[in-house]
Amino acid sequence: DTGVSQDPRHKITKRGQNVTFRCDPISEHNRLYWYRQTLGQGPEFLTYFQNEAQLEKSRLLSDRFSAERPKGSFSTLEIQRTEQGDSAMYLCASSFTGGAGTGELFFGEGSRLTVL
Amino acid sequence: AQSVAQPEDQVNVAEGNPLTVKCTYSVSGNPYLFWYVQYPNRGLQFLLKYITGDNLVKGSYGFEAEFNKSQTSFHLKKPSALVSDSALYFCAVRDMGSGNTPLVFGKGTRLSVIA
Repeated sequence: DTGVSQDPRHKITKRGQNVTFRCDPISEHNRLYWYRQTLGQGPEFLTYFQNEAQLEKSRLLSDRFSAERPKGSFSTLEIQRTEQGDSAMYLCASSFTGGAGTGELFFGEGSRLTVL
Repeated sequence: AQSVAQPEDQVNVAEGNPLTVKCTYSVSGNPYLFWYVQYPNRGLQFLLKYITGDNLVKGSYGFEAEFNKSQTSFHLKKPSALVSDSALYFCAVRDMGSGNTPLVFGKGTRLSVIA
């Protein structure tokens, strides 16, 4: 499978615990995005990387959230001291920019977080 | 700032009838426009995009969308709906001149096709 993969697909945790999500993008894609989606809403942008550089962070990304893409390949999104309001689907997407690429996003299946 | 509005939370259509899912956008320059579909507990799947050129864009699964610059709209259409088209549909926009800004999504429209 050469699509975007995310792990884990589901995570249930207690308030105050830390969680980490992993995303493996399509191999030739240089951009990687994290979005958050809550029930009844569209995806909301969190942050994105071009290669290993984190180029933009949304104000939605509080200090408890950190994302990395250490070698420009896979990425991790860590949430520290989780709160019930963090319960959501966390979506990863990748795209290719450059040449004739128009940068449409290819999404993974998402990681659903439930904070009890 | 760029934004997308999907005025209908839910659209119901009978199988075999044409369907339209509405989208309007706001950008400061020219838009790149996209439609995505989401099935339950799944990620988003790309359907089609408008970058430039012909205002009528054809995409996957028989869907098409018409770009209307004067009305700032990009409505999704299909001539004959299938029950399997029932899903959540998202419109998204990026300002063409901004280069690096991420896609902004609408809230989504739930399409229900009734047999």
